[in-house]
Amino acid sequence: AQSVSQHNHHVILSEAASLELGCNYSYGGTVNLFWYVQYPGQHLQLLLKYFSGDPLVKGIKGFEAEFIKSKFSFNLRKPSVQWSDTAEYFCAVNAAGGAGSYQLTFGKGTKLSVIP
Amino acid sequence: EAGVTQFPSHSVIEKGQTVTLRCDPISGHDNLYWYRRVMGKEIKFLLHFVKESKQDESGMPNNRFLAERTGGTYSTLKVQPAELEDSGVYFCASSQGGNPWSETQYFGPGTRLLVL
Repeated sequence: AQSVSQHNHHVILSEAASLELGCNYSYGGTVNLFWYVQYPGQHLQLLLKYFSGDPLVKGIKGFEAEFIKSKFSFNLRKPSVQWSDTAEYFCAVNAAGGAGSYQLTFGKGTKLSVIP
Repeated sequence: EAGVTQFPSHSVIEKGQTVTLRCDPISGHDNLYWYRRVMGKEIKFLLHFVKESKQDESGMPNNRFLAERTGGTYSTLKVQPAELEDSGVYFCASSQGGNPWSETQYFGPGTRLLVL
């Protein structure tokens, strides 16, 4: 079974600071990788996803993530955060092949607070 | 296009009572998923429907949980009898169909269940 580890529980940044949220997964096979975000009072929405191809993925609102297969990592980055990026961020993975490959396995989430 | 909707948004019940949660997926989506987030923990998969059929219910905690998807449209998740540890946020998600592994799952706002 796969698992996902998000390194930071709560990150506090000032506006314009750069952001990097860590995500590591454990699974030896082919995976799809996702970052979801939940803004206060809203539902989970997809920020970006990696299925195959270019390991540097660009998502909405200026976010990007890089898949490094050798490190089993899929870190989320943004060069300059805004107050509106305050939210909880979830890394998720699903694994190819066999029963249950469509299940998303989530990390515990990282709360980001951006101070104006 | 309407997103995934869930009802109710909140539910407070006493231990031993029954609660039924409802999910309406995006119109035309064959795949429907239920997930749960217990406070402080990660979001965990409960089960997956393809149309009206249960494809995988490996994440269901025990036989107090019953999910149905009559006619392949909306789904209900019944907890009977509810226990304290059932408290959490129950998310529903849907995806279009074809190959669930390479599709994006769209999430609803969740139902917050509190069992007292």
